[in-house]
Amino acid sequence: DAGVIQSPRHEVTEMGQEVTLRCKPISGHDYLFWYRQTMMRGLELLIYFNNNVPIDDSGMPEDRFSAKMPNASFSTLKIQPSEPRDSAVYFCASSLQGKGGGYTFGSGTRLTVV
Amino acid sequence: KQEVTQIPAALSVPEGENLVLNCSFTDSAIYNLQWFRQDPGKGLTSLLLIQSSQREQTSGRLNASLDKSSGRSTLYIAASQPGDSATYLCAVRPRPSGGSNYKLTFGKGTLLTVNP
Repeated sequence: DAGVIQSPRHEVTEMGQEVTLRCKPISGHDYLFWYRQTMMRGLELLIYFNNNVPIDDSGMPEDRFSAKMPNASFSTLKIQPSEPRDSAVYFCASSLQGKGGGYTFGSGTRLTVV
Repeated sequence: KQEVTQIPAALSVPEGENLVLNCSFTDSAIYNLQWFRQDPGKGLTSLLLIQSSQREQTSGRLNASLDKSSGRSTLYIAASQPGDSATYLCAVRPRPSGGSNYKLTFGKGTLLTVNP
């Protein structure tokens, strides 16, 4: 298995632009999570899906953030408009609850908003 | 609200030394606890997963223990190597209770440096 695949690995954008981050979970996993990591706040859960349905989006910081999971093999996290304080590393993770519930993380997308 | 603390925040040891990293959590109603490794600029690699009913898990030179009642877990690394240098994070998942049962709470991590 190729693991959780995220793209792009790095993204530099100007303030006000739309940014879309992509994630392909491990095939067969039924949960997908989006996390954000910063030096100040560590790892924070933004939103998670179960069988493509958003379950908890209480961690999404503002309405500028949105996430979708149109099918079991693809999810997006969109920021529109982006702001410098959105600069962080965004991780996607997936999990199969029938296998003990361990999480597998992707390599992350490092977002810089200038 | 679950809080996870990792001590020490940073640790530097000579190669070959055995070491222990500590993780404590405030709410013992957990489903499992997972130890991750993060290399600079990289993602998180899962090291060990301990279910709430288990006391320990082992993988190679790594051994993780769990004492749920006291809210503690330790990660023991035997015969440390320079390649073990990384940040080690522990994360707890809450026991299902009708709420957000899948929200991992992470500690801030321990930055380990193993000197050759």
